[in-house]
Amino acid sequence: SAVISQKPSRDICQRGTSLTIQCQVDSQVTMMFWYRQQPGQSLTLIATANQGSEATYESGFVIDKFPISRPNLTFSTLTVSNMSPEDSSIYLCSDRTGPYNEQFFGPGTRLTVL
Amino acid sequence: GENVEQHPSTLSVQEGDSAVIKCTYSDSASNYFPWYKQELGKGPQLIIDIRSNVGEKKDQRIAVTLNKTAKHFSLHITETQPEDSAVYFCAARDSNDYKLSFGAGTTVTVRA
Repeated sequence: SAVISQKPSRDICQRGTSLTIQCQVDSQVTMMFWYRQQPGQSLTLIATANQGSEATYESGFVIDKFPISRPNLTFSTLTVSNMSPEDSSIYLCSDRTGPYNEQFFGPGTRLTVL
Repeated sequence: GENVEQHPSTLSVQEGDSAVIKCTYSDSASNYFPWYKQELGKGPQLIIDIRSNVGEKKDQRIAVTLNKTAKHFSLHITETQPEDSAVYFCAARDSNDYKLSFGAGTTVTVRA
């Protein structure tokens, strides 16, 4: 499986600011995803990061709040904009790869908004 | 869309005993069912998966069973060890969709 790394691993931010999370995969992958995991909860898909085009967002998530870039097949960024305490979560990058289309996750970015 | 239910939400077992987690899904078109283990402070780790063309799959101490008729699948961990303590998530995906739908998670605690 491709190795996924995320930066930063954690951050504490002030209300109203923005944070950009980076996701790097060590090999080219077809699909990349961004998930949110609120404290003690399951994983919720934010969007699919499409290489060279706009991301595909799930219901309840909008581009103005969570702009996503994917300039190539190994890198993507997620920005959490105009943050509020409700945005405090773990944000996970994920990819789908391999002959069996298995899906793997990065280590996550733990965000606390004060 | 797909709805995945997972039970129990918490599970405490004595070291050496077995643990079983059950999931049901709603979409009969689903054909891929992975299980993830998430340790504290880490991302989810794929531990085993099963496709709809088989009924059971084993990997050392873990096994997954699938009943397509009843639309449920289960994770079995035998000879549990303290390092098995984690949150486990089941998920489902169908051939027409690219998205995984996750269960709510099961917190497993293995008592020494």
